[in-house]
Amino acid sequence: KNEVEQSPQNLTAQEGEFITINCSYSVGISALHWLQQHPGGGIVSLFMLSSGKKKHGRLIATINIQEKHSSLHITASHPRDSAVYICAVTNYGGSQGNLIFGKGTKLSVKP
Amino acid sequence: DTGVSQDPRHKITKRGQNVTFRCDPISEHNRLYWYRQTLGQGPEFLTYFQNEAQLEKSRLLSDRFSAERPKGSFSTLEIQRTEQGDSAMYLCASSASLAGGPYNEQFFGPGTRLTVL
Repeated sequence: KNEVEQSPQNLTAQEGEFITINCSYSVGISALHWLQQHPGGGIVSLFMLSSGKKKHGRLIATINIQEKHSSLHITASHPRDSAVYICAVTNYGGSQGNLIFGKGTKLSVKP
Repeated sequence: DTGVSQDPRHKITKRGQNVTFRCDPISEHNRLYWYRQTLGQGPEFLTYFQNEAQLEKSRLLSDRFSAERPKGSFSTLEIQRTEQGDSAMYLCASSASLAGGPYNEQFFGPGTRLTVL
């Protein structure tokens, strides 16, 4: 079993829909990261959080430390949101900050 | 552009050849990470530098792989005697350490896509 699991693996939505991507992890963490990867490979960090909730524009990330679960929400989705969204964690007490990644959720938003 | 840069962006090589990739981190970042990503998978940690010191290497990093960061700035990742299984995207990331804690946001480069024929 992977230390970081994401669901769903693939997600297709219509423009304007509210989207939720889930992430569960099995290790103690210092921080959880949500990353966005576009075709061609470049990765952009969206959020780094260790508790509660963060919001940036139409993106919202939440984390429940007790349940070892995080969600990424996209409100009013748009075709430009189409990308792979990756959840990653920094293992508490482990290496100095290297990330453990989920396999990613491929999101496709149709116009 | 003051982000993380990687060179080359694409590399096609024949099995058995040696290849070297370069990563230039954000200038004030003292931490530099190498990751590998195969198709359909999330990235996997390879190795990590703090300044010029290589502090950790993953078991994924076989003896054919070597990484350096000689002056604590740019880093190189060399793969000797490449194999078809080495075909992947090689990602570099950098971060700055904060006093009292190492866990900071990582900024990623565009990656180097390696194809071994």
